[in-house]
Amino acid sequence: DTEVTQTPKHLVMGMTNKKSLKCEQHMGHRAMYWYKQKAKKPPELMFVYSYEKLSINESVPSRFSPECPNSSLLNLHLHALQPEDSALYLCASSQEQGVLDTQYFGPGTRLTVL
Amino acid sequence: AQSVTQLDSHVSVSEGTPVLLRCNYSSSYSPSLFWYVQHPNKGLQLLLKYTSAATLVKGINGFEAEFKKSETSFHLTKPSAHMSDAAEYFCVVTTVMNTGFQKLVFGTGTRLLVSP
Repeated sequence: DTEVTQTPKHLVMGMTNKKSLKCEQHMGHRAMYWYKQKAKKPPELMFVYSYEKLSINESVPSRFSPECPNSSLLNLHLHALQPEDSALYLCASSQEQGVLDTQYFGPGTRLTVL
Repeated sequence: AQSVTQLDSHVSVSEGTPVLLRCNYSSSYSPSLFWYVQHPNKGLQLLLKYTSAATLVKGINGFEAEFKKSETSFHLTKPSAHMSDAAEYFCVVTTVMNTGFQKLVFGTGTRLLVSP
C-alpha cells in the first residue's frame, strides 16, 4: 500500500483564522514533505522532515508552521495567511531522503484564503 | 545543478493513437528520473522511475520511458491513448542538496488532451 492521506480535502479560511492541514502515512516512511502547487504550475517544495526532524525549510514565511508529532503524521499550521497563499497543498513521503527513494504523494488539500 | 525541460506544454492526441511526451534532462551525475501524472484536482501519482538499471522502464497503465544518455532524454510513451489518460504529466529529476538530502526538480508539465 502506497497511500498518503490528507485532510481536509478543501479548506476556506479568512486572513485572521488559524487552521491546520493534516497528512498521514502508514508505510513506515521516515521522510515527509510539504509542497505548494499553484494553478498550472509544478509543485514547489516547502518543508522536509527526516526522522521527525525538520531538515529542509525552503525559506517559507513564518505564517506556515510545520509539525511532525510522530513518524506517521505531518501537520501544517496556518495563521494569518494571505489570498496569494491559496493553492493546492500536497504532502508526500519516502522511505528515506536519499536519491533513490521514491516520493509518494497524497491527494492534496485545496486551500482558499479570503 | 540538475534540471529537466519538458518540450511541449500541451499535446493533443486521438483516442487509440500513440502518445509521446518529451523530456530532456541536465545532470552532472547519473540521474534518478521520474514521470508523475496529475489528474484534475488530484495529487501526483508515480507512473515510473529510472534509477540506472534498465534503460527502458515500464510503468503503470501501459506507459513506458526510455533513458537515452547520448540524447539526455527520458521521453514518455504509450502505444494507444485512452480518454482516462487526459491529465498533466511531470518529468522529474532528483538533485542532491548541500545537506546531502535529495530534492525533486520538476519540469513545467505537459498537459495531455485526448479526443474521442
